[in-house]
Amino acid sequence: DADVTQTPRNRITKTGKRIMLECSQTKGHDRMYWYRQDPGLGLRLIYYSFDVKDINKGEISDGYSVSRQAQAKFSLSLESAIPNQTALYFCATSGTSETGELFFGEGSRLTVL
Amino acid sequence: GQNIDQPTEMTATEGAIVQINCTYQTSGFNGLFWYQQHAGEAPTFLSYNVLDGLEEKGRFSSFLSRSKGYSYLLLKELQMKDSASYLCAVMDSNYQLIWGAGTKLIIKP
Repeated sequence: DADVTQTPRNRITKTGKRIMLECSQTKGHDRMYWYRQDPGLGLRLIYYSFDVKDINKGEISDGYSVSRQAQAKFSLSLESAIPNQTALYFCATSGTSETGELFFGEGSRLTVL
Repeated sequence: GQNIDQPTEMTATEGAIVQINCTYQTSGFNGLFWYQQHAGEAPTFLSYNVLDGLEEKGRFSSFLSRSKGYSYLLLKELQMKDSASYLCAVMDSNYQLIWGAGTKLIIKP
């Protein structure tokens, strides 16, 4: 089983709908992140959380919100989806290793029509 | 602004050596990362450099020159499974990761 699990893996929705992407991890990491990936662009950080009581905006937080329900769970919501939010979304975690490397979930492909 | 540049696409032959370059301009520097991403999959960590020089890990090596804002990933004895995108990322002075768009590496038999 994957250490970082995202659901759903694929979702097609319509403009204006509310969408939630969920992420859970079994790595015991405190730090969790949501990124989006678009063709020809680098990964862009949406939100991050360093512990349950800590939520921070990333580079592109407008139109998104998050909830850190527990150390192991970090969900991303699109309150009113729009077509330019069509992208591949990744959840990631990091621990306290020297490198602070990220461990990514398998991705959630979202299409907004 | 902050910027990471790497070639969009490279092609190499199975068994050969390929070098993927990454140049960066960031607000401060707290390390450079290379990740591998196969099509449709999640990125996975390859290497981390914070000091100048070469870090070797099996068939893969990563080099860093902080004064030049430059890194490269060297892949030796290429295998077909090395066909993937290679992402360069720099951690800035705020410990935020700045990502390049990735280099798609195509391996031909």
